[in-house]
Amino acid sequence: DAGVIQSPRHEVTEMGQEVTLRCKPISGHNSLFWYRQTMMRGLELLIYFNNNVPIDDSGMPEDRFSAKMPNASFSTLKIQPSEPRDSAVYFCASSFAPGQGDEKLFFGSGTQLSVL
Amino acid sequence: KNEVEQSPQNLTAQEGEFITINCSYSVGISALHWLQQHPGGGIVSLFMLSSGKKKHGRLIATINIQEKHSSLHITASHPRDSAVYICAASRNQFYFGTGTSLTVIP
Repeated sequence: DAGVIQSPRHEVTEMGQEVTLRCKPISGHNSLFWYRQTMMRGLELLIYFNNNVPIDDSGMPEDRFSAKMPNASFSTLKIQPSEPRDSAVYFCASSFAPGQGDEKLFFGSGTQLSVL
Repeated sequence: KNEVEQSPQNLTAQEGEFITINCSYSVGISALHWLQQHPGGGIVSLFMLSSGKKKHGRLIATINIQEKHSSLHITASHPRDSAVYICAASRNQFYFGTGTSLTVIP
């Protein structure tokens, strides 16, 4: 397996534009996580899917952020409209569901987002 | 209050030194994870453990379930060990510590 695949690796956009980040989890994993990492706050969980269903989205900053998982092999994180304070590295990670045994967490390489 | 607390926040060591990073958690967990992130790099899972001790090369991870405490040890540290080490506790989701930034000086 190629691991968790995220795209794009880098995204530079202007304030007010829509940004879509993409993630392909490891085949067979049933949990998918979107995280944001900044120097100030470290790693923050944004949203967590289990079997394609959003379980916990309490970390989503505000209505400008939305995430979907239409099938087991694809998820998107969308920011509309984007703001400079959204600039961060966004990681996607997948695993078997916590508590079900082999729950080792695998991270994608991240998307470096810069909103000007 | 964070569910996972790490210490120290920053650590500088001379090459060859023995290093310990500590992690305490307040939630009941199914597993404790140690992750490594090199500057500008992705995040790699080093260990996942639910009891006892695991060893991989010069890295050793231990956990005490009763005390809700885990440690990551690095023996004979090397400059390439310089990275941020993150502790995470998993239950129904993952709870992350804020990370320990390690710098090993030649």
